[in-house]
Amino acid sequence: QVQLQESGPGLVKPSQTLSLTCTVSGGSISSGSYYWSWIRQPAGKGLEWIGRIYTSGSTNYNPSLKSRVTISVDTSKNQFSLKLSSVTAADTAVYYCAREVAPAMATNYFDYWGQGTLVTVSS
Amino acid sequence: QTVVTQEPSLTVSPGGTVTLTCASSTGAVTSGYYPNWFQQKPGQAPRALIYSTSNKHSWTPARFSGSLLGGKAALTLSGVQPEDEAEYYCLLYYGGALWVFGGGTKLTVL
Repeated sequence: QVQLQESGPGLVKPSQTLSLTCTVSGGSISSGSYYWSWIRQPAGKGLEWIGRIYTSGSTNYNPSLKSRVTISVDTSKNQFSLKLSSVTAADTAVYYCAREVAPAMATNYFDYWGQGTLVTVSS
Repeated sequence: QTVVTQEPSLTVSPGGTVTLTCASSTGAVTSGYYPNWFQQKPGQAPRALIYSTSNKHSWTPARFSGSLLGGKAALTLSGVQPEDEAEYYCLLYYGGALWVFGGGTKLTVL
């Protein structure tokens, strides 16, 4: 069974760059037709899709965050990463990584999620 | 800006049936929006329940079902159990590679 695990600093200063990594186990990140996504959730609020990276390395980002987001993949480590620049208190949230399945002749869907990691933006 | 709207809260009695809906500000929701549904309990990560409108994951209880209803995506729980009390989120896909979550529905079993 595929498992995802987020890791990274739990505290980031305003104006700095938030960096998180998602480690995938139970399967190769580069095999199959999958997108690897980041999603966040401020305390007491709803979910927000941040962006995704395909196994080929192509990326898509939420337009609301596009200017500050970079998602990359390291297939040798079976990991993908999120960088969010110029953070403010509004970026304080639980950050999740998740797998999006992209079947060849069917519609895309999400299945496995990480447990999430809380990132607080504060000086 | 695209907005996906869900009922903020619903209450259902144990053993009852309840339908949650998911509307798009762009118009009627169709299968082309790839509707996904997730369940989230306090302190836990979301868990996928339904995909592609009505398909269940291997772990999805049979009492959960998805459909399109009146121009919206819908999640129906039949024979509700106390453990179904949770927040439920829908997720829609928009052309141009954008996923948008609904605001969530807090389901109370009372």
